[in-house]
Amino acid sequence: NAGVMQNPRHLVRRRGQEARLRCSPMKGHSHVYWYRQLPEEGLKFMVYLQKENIIDESGMPKERFSAEFPKEGPSILRIQQVVRGDSAAYFCASSPNTGGDQPQHFGDGTRLSIL
Amino acid sequence: GESVGLHLPTLSVQEGDNSIINCAYSNSASDYFIWYKQESGKGPQFIIDIRSNMDKRQGQRVTVLLNKTVKHLSLQIAATQPGDSAVYFCAENGDGGSQGNLIFGKGTKLSVKP
Repeated sequence: NAGVMQNPRHLVRRRGQEARLRCSPMKGHSHVYWYRQLPEEGLKFMVYLQKENIIDESGMPKERFSAEFPKEGPSILRIQQVVRGDSAAYFCASSPNTGGDQPQHFGDGTRLSIL
Repeated sequence: GESVGLHLPTLSVQEGDNSIINCAYSNSASDYFIWYKQESGKGPQFIIDIRSNMDKRQGQRVTVLLNKTVKHLSLQIAATQPGDSAVYFCAENGDGGSQGNLIFGKGTKLSVKP
């Protein structure tokens, strides 16, 4: 049973470029969550998606950030015109269904570095 | 080992001792809580969870205690091993889980001395 798969594991971008982070949830999971983690800090919620729908994007900056979870394929977190402050680890989690009373299972993250 | 709160982010224990990691959660509406373990370079790994209708839950070598009166959560690890060295995060569902996202604490780094 494959867990949550994220790629790339490491991504380096120059300021102004675009970053695309991919997440394939666990088999049978239709709910995906993206979190961001700065060094020595906890994870901060960004966005919650189901297939083809954004359920909650309250933690995602309004500008430059977008997320999707298409009917086919992985969930994508896109950051346009990256800035140094976007450097962080981005984690994806998945769960089988909705409801805030079940564990979310995490991938090993994408570490984004902005030069 | 002595208990620590979020203001003391590092806990050092001797191998074989018991560890207690504490967490003060923020939202009185939270009714579901999880402990995660995060090793360097990896994602959070689920350890144990507890719902608000319980005050104690046991797993293999781990026990979670919930005190809703003071909004306090603790993780007890019995016979701590070097492989337990990691950062431990508590998480709550906030607002009764209506949004689906988890709210994470800042974490406690557990260091196990052989």
